[in-house]
Amino acid sequence: EPEVTQTPSHQVTQMGQEVILRCVPISNHLYFYWYRQILGQKVEFLVSFYNNEISEKSEIFDDQFSVERPDGSNFTLKIRSTKLEDSAMYFCASSGTGANYGYTFGSGTRLTVV
Amino acid sequence: GQSLEQPSEVTAVEGAIVQINCTYQTSGFYGLSWYQQHDGGAPTFLSYNGLDGLEETGRFSSFLSRSDSYGYLLLQELQMKDSASYFCAPNTNAGKSTFGDGTTLTVKP
Repeated sequence: EPEVTQTPSHQVTQMGQEVILRCVPISNHLYFYWYRQILGQKVEFLVSFYNNEISEKSEIFDDQFSVERPDGSNFTLKIRSTKLEDSAMYFCASSGTGANYGYTFGSGTRLTVV
Repeated sequence: GQSLEQPSEVTAVEGAIVQINCTYQTSGFYGLSWYQQHDGGAPTFLSYNGLDGLEETGRFSSFLSRSDSYGYLLLQELQMKDSASYFCAPNTNAGKSTFGDGTTLTVKP
């Protein structure tokens, strides 16, 4: 069964450092998403991406965040200057036909900012 | 504005049937998805309703009433492994799916 792959599984970074979280969505999917989940809390939408541009973003996704699809397979989330409160599990997801169907999630990257 | 409500906790016994309700207020509503998440794991897609009515996928069914802004997930023949969090997530036509706070289902022997 096709999978969404995320790397690394765990990243520890110092406050103020830049991090890039990487994702390889399912190959024939067209829509890509980032979500985050702070420990013990709900899954929060960050951003959706289609046709090489952001289609929707939440208020969490401020100027410190950016996304990129640098080639035909990777989808990245960059946090420019990490804060302690950015510590969370970050999930990448993709879907085949936009808003019509469910999303396939990767297993997540646990980001710990110290 | 946007709102999403589902019960915070549900408990049931093995073999029983449980229904998890969800009410929503979502701009640009397109359809309703349901996800399961075990502790420490990624959300797993369970079901999607784009039209009113019932969708059945094995032991799981999901229902949508657009006019009532309401849906539910029905889990039948409960098994211990069904103990998890369940999220309803309205999809919008802008390509965004917002998760609710989730319902923690505990299945007891």
